[in-house]
Amino acid sequence: GAVVSQHPSRVICKSGTSVKIECRSLDFQATTMFWYRQFPKQSLMLMATSNEGSKATYEQGVEKDKFLINHASLTLSTLTVTSAHPEDSSFYICSAKNERGGWADTQYFGPGTRLTVL
Amino acid sequence: AQKITQTQPGMFVQEKEAVTLDCTYDTSDQSYGLFWYKQPSSGEMIFLIYQGSYDEQNATEGRYSLNFQKARKSANLVISASQLGDSAMYFCAMRDSQGSNYKLTFGKGTLLTVNP
Repeated sequence: GAVVSQHPSRVICKSGTSVKIECRSLDFQATTMFWYRQFPKQSLMLMATSNEGSKATYEQGVEKDKFLINHASLTLSTLTVTSAHPEDSSFYICSAKNERGGWADTQYFGPGTRLTVL
Repeated sequence: AQKITQTQPGMFVQEKEAVTLDCTYDTSDQSYGLFWYKQPSSGEMIFLIYQGSYDEQNATEGRYSLNFQKARKSANLVISASQLGDSAMYFCAMRDSQGSNYKLTFGKGTLLTVNP
């Protein structure tokens, strides 16, 4: 089956630093990847849609200058949290769309990255 | 705008019994897809089952079945013969057909606890 990896799985950083999270589709090409944020005991909230070779599309209320997304290849998208603050602490999950998949399984989720900003 | 409603914040079930997790949705689209995902404490999102809006039969995947009632706009998940490993958060999600990106909208989730 399709596998999506995320790195790192867990990161702790100091306030004001930047953190980069990688999302990779390991055995399929993904022209579209999605970035979600999940606060404790809450649902997944879509942050942005990442399209290979073009600018990401951000959801309303998400600061594009704070959450930089780069989708430079068909298997890699990165999310950089710039000048992170404690309120950015959250669980970040990516998903990748398999272009060859059908309706049911076209989005595969990564294992998530838990970010803690001190 | 699309909306997914899961009215059960938490559910308890005895091991080996069946449990139904509720999900209602709201959309003006004629073509859409409904999904259920399981999220254990590890955080990964595990795809369970899918139902297309034009599918006439309810979807089934092993112990999972989706009770799809289109007129009521409900897509309840039924888990038969519950196991301790089924304890997790369960999210209902919907994807519309508009545009090419197929964004998912998630409900708030239901925390299922299976008791021995």
